[in-house]
Amino acid sequence: GAGVSQSPRYKVAKRGQDVALRCDPISGHVSLFWYQQALGQGPEFLTYFQNEAQLDKSGLPSDRFFAERPEGSVSTLKIQRTQQEDSAVYLCASSLAQGEGYTFGSGTRLTVV
Amino acid sequence: QKEVEQNSGPLSVPEGAIASLNCTYSDRGSQSFFWYRQYSGKSPELIMSIYSNGDKEDGRFTAQLNKASQYVSLLIRDSQPSDSATYLCAAGVGGYNKLIFGAGTRLAVHP
Repeated sequence: GAGVSQSPRYKVAKRGQDVALRCDPISGHVSLFWYQQALGQGPEFLTYFQNEAQLDKSGLPSDRFFAERPEGSVSTLKIQRTQQEDSAVYLCASSLAQGEGYTFGSGTRLTVV
Repeated sequence: QKEVEQNSGPLSVPEGAIASLNCTYSDRGSQSFFWYRQYSGKSPELIMSIYSNGDKEDGRFTAQLNKASQYVSLLIRDSQPSDSATYLCAAGVGGYNKLIFGAGTRLAVHP
C-alpha cells in the first residue's frame, strides 16, 4: 500500500479484556517498529522487527504485551488483560532501511474503561 | 537513561516570522536526528533528518546539528498558520535506529 495502515482506528476495551492491534507496513519495508504515545508525550519505543525477527522488545511495559510479525509483513501487537494505564495511542512505523526516518501509521487509540 | 529534551512551549510566533525550535540529547552515540511534525489527533510526520554537524536546508525548514553540544534545532522561515502543530525531536540509537523522542514543542503561528 501507499502508507502504513493500522486497524482498528479506535478501540474501547473493558479492563481485563484482551486486544489485538494490526499494522500493515509499506510494502518492502524491512524494519517495523511499535511505539506507544500517551497524551501530551512523545512516542515511546515498544519493539522492533527486522523482517520476521523481533530484535528488540526492551520497551514492552510488561509480559501482558506481545508482538509478532510471522511472515515479515503484517504485524500484530497484542495486549492481554488490559489495564487503564494501557490507554494510549499505539503507533506503528516502518522504514526501508536501517538508519532512515520512519513513516508512521495513523495509530490506534486504545481506551481502557 | 537515554533522553531527548525539548521545551514544551507553546512557542507563539507571528505569521511570516522565523520559528526556532530546540532540543538536546543525552546519548553521545546517537548519529541520526529527526524532526517530526504532529497535528492534533494525527500521527507524526517526518519533515527533516540530519546526520552531520552543520545545517541542512529543505524549503522553509533548516535543521542544525551540533554534536559537541548535543544540540539539534529546527528553524522554520516565513511561518504560516498551517505550521501550527507539535514538533517532535528524535535521536536515533543503536544499529537499527531506534528513535528516542522528546515530548514535543507546541508551535502556534498567529495571523
